[in-house]
Amino acid sequence: QSVLTQPPSVSAAPGERVTISCSGTSSNIGSNLVAWYQQLPGTAPKLLIFDDSERPSGIPDRFSGSKSGTSATLDIAGLQTGDEADYYCGTWDSSPSAKWVFGGGTKLTVL
Amino acid sequence: QVQLQESGPGLVKPSETLSLTCDVSGFSITTGYFWGWIRQSPGRGLEWIGNMYHTGTSYFDPSFQSRVSIVTATSKNQFSLRLTSVTVADTAIYYCARHDRAMTPKHWGQGILVTVSS
Repeated sequence: QSVLTQPPSVSAAPGERVTISCSGTSSNIGSNLVAWYQQLPGTAPKLLIFDDSERPSGIPDRFSGSKSGTSATLDIAGLQTGDEADYYCGTWDSSPSAKWVFGGGTKLTVL
Repeated sequence: QVQLQESGPGLVKPSETLSLTCDVSGFSITTGYFWGWIRQSPGRGLEWIGNMYHTGTSYFDPSFQSRVSIVTATSKNQFSLRLTSVTVADTAIYYCARHDRAMTPKHWGQGILVTVSS
């Protein structure tokens, strides 16, 4: 059981827009910065979004992040077949013990 | 550009100690940031283990706290993971990572598969 809750799967057609949610609590998302990762099959996770909505260099602006209260969202616009992957949210959790926590992951299928 | 590379045995026997090393290049671990480990069991999600600053400050997930340690070897620009009393449930791909501001694991190694089996 993950501390952060994500939908197990989402799907959309190429060119469409998809949203992946990440729900937490006041001790994690509600008070700390959120990151999002993309994991393509057989590869290490890659940072997509940090500090709730910032993109590392090289990440297309098709990927965007936002946060409101104790929930965060990853939006992917103009879906491409190469976006088919697992996506994870993560953040620092301050209570009851300080640690980093991940969501359970969301499998994105591009139909 | 910082790069991380895990190394260590790919097979460990139950009840023994899992030891992995992360070689860091392109950045000195004594310059700053936390350095840590994350694992992923086959077909499962990501599981954060813990991290450490080169001066000794460390954080661990409580589920590992009693049997995990992370140490740095600053002269070699490496840090290591030790996980004691392993079971088959510890079979996973282990990633080392540099944790940047907000403790975000930003730079990752490619991962190493460790199988626990007799």
